[in-house]
Amino acid sequence: DADVTQTPRNRITKTGKRIMLECSQTKGHDRMYWYRQDPGLGLRLIYYSFDVKDINKGEISDGYSVSRQAQAKFSLSLESAIPNQTALYFCATSDSVGKVQHFGDGTRLSIL
Amino acid sequence: RKEVEQDPGPFNVPEGATVAFNCTYSNSASQSFFWYRQDCRKEPKLLMSVYSSGNEDGRFTAQLNRASQYISLLIRDSKLSDSATYLCVVVPTYNFNKFYFGSGTKLNVKP
Repeated sequence: DADVTQTPRNRITKTGKRIMLECSQTKGHDRMYWYRQDPGLGLRLIYYSFDVKDINKGEISDGYSVSRQAQAKFSLSLESAIPNQTALYFCATSDSVGKVQHFGDGTRLSIL
Repeated sequence: RKEVEQDPGPFNVPEGATVAFNCTYSNSASQSFFWYRQDCRKEPKLLMSVYSSGNEDGRFTAQLNRASQYISLLIRDSKLSDSATYLCVVVPTYNFNKFYFGSGTKLNVKP
C-alpha cells in the first residue's frame, strides 16, 4: 500500500462545481502540502500544514481551501471550479525536519 | 522572475553518454538544494540532496555554485532507465516550509 494516498486519481467535472481532493498518509508525518503541476510551470505550492488545524498559504492559494482535521489527512477544496484549475495535483508529506518530500500518485483534474 | 529556472530540454543522448543539467535560482539566501526525478505521469521522488562541497551518488554528481547561484547534476554512463524529467528544488528557509520546484529538464536516453 502507498504511504501517501490521493483520491480520486482522475476527475472530470464542470465549471462552477465544488470539488474535494483527499490525501491520507500512513507515514506519521506532521507536515503536509498540496501542489499543482502545469506543463512548463513546474510544481507550485497551494497550501501547507505543519500540524492539525495549522493552515498556511502557498504561492497560489486563491480559489482553493484546505482542511487538516487529523494528522493523517489533508483535503483540498475547489469551491467553484474554473477551467484554469485544470492540472495535475500532488499531495506531499515530510517529517518535522522537513528535508524530504514524499509525494502521492497525483490527481489529474479536468474542468470543462 | 521565477525562483528556479531550468532548461526544459529534451536532452537526447545515447546510452553510455555523460550529460549535465544546470538550474539557476534567484534568491541568494537560499539554504538547501535538491534534485528530484519524475517519471512520465508519476510522482516526483528525491534523487539526491546537493551539498556545498558537491556530492556524488554512484553515477550521479551534484554541485552547488553559490556565487553564480546555480546547481548542476551530472549523470555518467547514462542508462535507458535514466530517462525521466529531473526537477531542481530550492528551499529558501531553514524551517523547510516552502520548496520551490523548477519546471524540470527532460532526459531521453536512446539505445
